[in-house]
Amino acid sequence: IAGITQAPTSQILAAGRRMTLRCTQDMRHNAMYWYRQDLGLGLRLIHYSNTAGTTGKGEVPDGYSVSRANTDDFPLTLASAVPSQTSVYFCASSPGASNFEQFFGPGTRLTVL
Amino acid sequence: QKEVEQDPGPLSVPEGAIVSLNCTYSNSAFQYFMWYRQYSRKGPELLMYTYSSGNKEDGRFTAQVDKSSKYISLFIRDSQPSDSATYLCAMSMSNSGYALNFGKGTSLLVTP
Repeated sequence: IAGITQAPTSQILAAGRRMTLRCTQDMRHNAMYWYRQDLGLGLRLIHYSNTAGTTGKGEVPDGYSVSRANTDDFPLTLASAVPSQTSVYFCASSPGASNFEQFFGPGTRLTVL
Repeated sequence: QKEVEQDPGPLSVPEGAIVSLNCTYSNSAFQYFMWYRQYSRKGPELLMYTYSSGNKEDGRFTAQVDKSSKYISLFIRDSQPSDSATYLCAMSMSNSGYALNFGKGTSLLVTP
């Protein structure tokens, strides 16, 4: 089934540890995005990539980094996790060009202790 | 002030009712408007997408955009218990990589 996969589904992490959240899409979409969703704050953009090889910062980029080595993969790395990064993380993709509908993955539930 | 405002509810209606969900926004540069539905512990699912003022209909759902008032709406006709979810409005513009600005979501409960 075509779509977006995210891994892991959930994770409990000790503060200070490094963590990479994985996102893969098989729709050959040009653009990909990372959001975090927190109660009372809604979905907020962390980083985005309009095409392979390019990335940009969103509303809440501090403490996170991304890379876009190819079209399909867009990993999100927490270099040194802190408790305020406890959240649900969603990856999304869109075709780009004249079509900007975004499609979301199932999410990763991350708890930093 | 957040760029996109949405009443969080919760909104409770009886089965068969017409539901009206609304968002206002402050940035006139927004060009594309979307509505997502999110079930508990799931990712957002795209319901409606439009880029112009006016109405767009898809089955029981109608999306309405009024750019002059900076106001968008989603109407659900003949609401069903399976429509119980959180509804998120979202909008985007070209100078942000078309990344989405979301409202906080409205929680809807349709009771049998």
